[in-house]
Amino acid sequence: GQQLNQSPQSMFIQEGEDVSMNCTSSSIFNTWLWYKQDPGEGPVLLIALYKAGELTSNGRLTAQFGITRKDSFLNISASIPSDVGIYFCAGPNTGGFKTIFGAGTRLFVKA
Amino acid sequence: DVKVTQSSRYLVKRTGEKVFLECVQDMDHENMFWYRQDPGLGLRLIYFSYDVKMKEKGDIPEGYSVSREKKERFSLILESASTNQTSMYLCASSSTGSLRHYEQYFGPGTRLTVT
Repeated sequence: GQQLNQSPQSMFIQEGEDVSMNCTSSSIFNTWLWYKQDPGEGPVLLIALYKAGELTSNGRLTAQFGITRKDSFLNISASIPSDVGIYFCAGPNTGGFKTIFGAGTRLFVKA
Repeated sequence: DVKVTQSSRYLVKRTGEKVFLECVQDMDHENMFWYRQDPGLGLRLIYFSYDVKMKEKGDIPEGYSVSREKKERFSLILESASTNQTSMYLCASSSTGSLRHYEQYFGPGTRLTVT
């Protein structure tokens, strides 16, 4: 079945550093979504991408829909302590209502 | 802003009890979802509903049932709770539209412990 592979699994960074994480699949996706989950909370939608090659920003976050439609990238610039959490990529399964989620990248930011 | 609320943040139940988890959304969304989240396993879909009284099995429906009598409310029922159902349960909703229905809005989660 369709799967999304996120890397890295976890990241330990210093406040102020830029962060990059990615999500890949062997299948083509027509939509890519990025969520963030704060500790003890539900995921929150950060960015939605609908077109191959699309680059979208949301504050310090920038996400790109890969040209091959098999990958997506999320960058965070000038990280701050509240960026701590789990970042999930997600995309719709073929022909249905279901959304497939990656296993997440856990981000730790040291002040 | 979309608001999805869940009836409890934390719940402790005994093995064999019937458990009800309630979810309410206030944005008139057609679609509602129940997931469970376990360390290392990510989010797994239990059931979803695309309309009142309609339900579809997700990837792990065994041991669960759902009810959607009103558009804004989606309930998850554990008929006879077992310890392997200890987990974080997340409810989500989305609207119906060509692309928007993939944008899901999540509740804060219910952490259920079955002893």
